[in-house]
Amino acid sequence: DIVLTQSPDSLAVSLGERATINCKSSQSVFYSSNNKNYLAWYQQKPGQPPKLLIYWASTRESGVPDRFSGSGSGTDFTLTISSLQAEDVAVYYCQQYYSTSLTFGGGTKVEIK
Amino acid sequence: EEQLLESGGGLVKPGGSLRLSCEASGFSFSNYGMSWARQAPGKGLEWVSSITSSGATTYYADSVKGRVTTSRDNSKNTLYLEIISLRAEDTAVYYCAKPLYDFWSGYSGSPFNLWGQGTMITVSS
Repeated sequence: DIVLTQSPDSLAVSLGERATINCKSSQSVFYSSNNKNYLAWYQQKPGQPPKLLIYWASTRESGVPDRFSGSGSGTDFTLTISSLQAEDVAVYYCQQYYSTSLTFGGGTKVEIK
Repeated sequence: EEQLLESGGGLVKPGGSLRLSCEASGFSFSNYGMSWARQAPGKGLEWVSSITSSGATTYYADSVKGRVTTSRDNSKNTLYLEIISLRAEDTAVYYCAKPLYDFWSGYSGSPFNLWGQGTMITVSS
């Protein structure tokens, strides 16, 4: 199975500041046939199901604020929140859909400093 | 509006079994492969199983293989997950999830753009 390792486990950021979350894959999730990275990011708030934020590593889902952005390719990926808002307090997960055996990262908890 | 509604969770003794249901509405259910994921209390997300749009092929996580059966009834827009020989470590909220892309998209994989609210399974004596 593809292992996704997220870092850090948690981070505290001041309102309006940048938050950066990393996701490292144990193998490449890049499909050369269509030039796409099969990597998504989700946001989960307490008591709620996950919400899709980013897919194909950098495509923002409809309705997601543009302060959320994704980058990276192959095995190393980043989710950036450019200016943290109070409503962004949540746990963030990366997920690969390259393999039929889907896997998630361990999650990163984002809090307000 | 697209919706997924899980049901069937509850308290079950170790060794017991349960059948979860996920009723879909607002989209062409038969065009989408579907999946189950779970989340133990205070823990991260874990993929459990997927099934193709026709139901012909299923995929399972190693942690549940041999104890779980995923099926679907496209005439009822419903996805099922049957778990037997339940263990304490199966205690979790179980979510059904719909992919962003349907069967006809041609993509070999897809993220999930719709999740149900989840149903809780508690395994305890």
